[in-house]
Amino acid sequence: AQSVTQLDSQVPVFEEAPVELRCNYSSSVSVYLFWYVQYPNQGLQLLLKYLSGSTLVKGINGFEAEFNKSQTSFHLRKPSVHISDTAEYFCAVSEVGGTNAGKSTFGDGTTLTVKP
Amino acid sequence: KAGVTQTPRYLIKTRGQQVTLSCSPISGHRSVSWYQQTPGQGLQFLFEYFSETQRNKGNFPGRFSGRQFSNSRSEMNVSTLELGDSALYLCASSLNGLGGANTQYFGPGTRLTVL
Repeated sequence: AQSVTQLDSQVPVFEEAPVELRCNYSSSVSVYLFWYVQYPNQGLQLLLKYLSGSTLVKGINGFEAEFNKSQTSFHLRKPSVHISDTAEYFCAVSEVGGTNAGKSTFGDGTTLTVKP
Repeated sequence: KAGVTQTPRYLIKTRGQQVTLSCSPISGHRSVSWYQQTPGQGLQFLFEYFSETQRNKGNFPGRFSGRQFSNSRSEMNVSTLELGDSALYLCASSLNGLGGANTQYFGPGTRLTVL
């Protein structure tokens, strides 16, 4: 079985400051990793995903994440945040093949609040 | 391309009733997954359909069921509603869902309130 832990439930930060949202995962098989953003009263939107290859993944809106297999982590970063980045962020994992392929497990979410 | 659409967007029901939610995936997408989102439990996987067959199922009681039609549209049904079923129900579609690598595109959700 796979699991995802988002280490911070809330992250307040000032505008133009850097931010890191932390995500650890657990799985007995290889996984794909995803970060999604959810704005109020909307569905989830994919920010970026790691499938294979380079461990540094760049996504939309200036976000990037680094896959660290030894630490089973996939932390999300942005060097300078904007007010419009205020939202809830979800880390998700999906097994590579196997009986659970297609079934994503999500973390509990991190609420990012960007203050002026 | 049009995105994933879900109808209705808001729904109010009473305990014991049943409800059917609808999801239209992006054109060409064959995989549809359903999720329940609540403040207490977060995002939980309900089931995934691919080519009209349920391929994966989460840990929900049998009151939660679904189906997928030949045009990939999907419906989710909840019978004998309980107060705890109040949630945002999200539908996500992907091209073929195989291996979990395909990007899931989420709809705006249906907000179900059970009174």
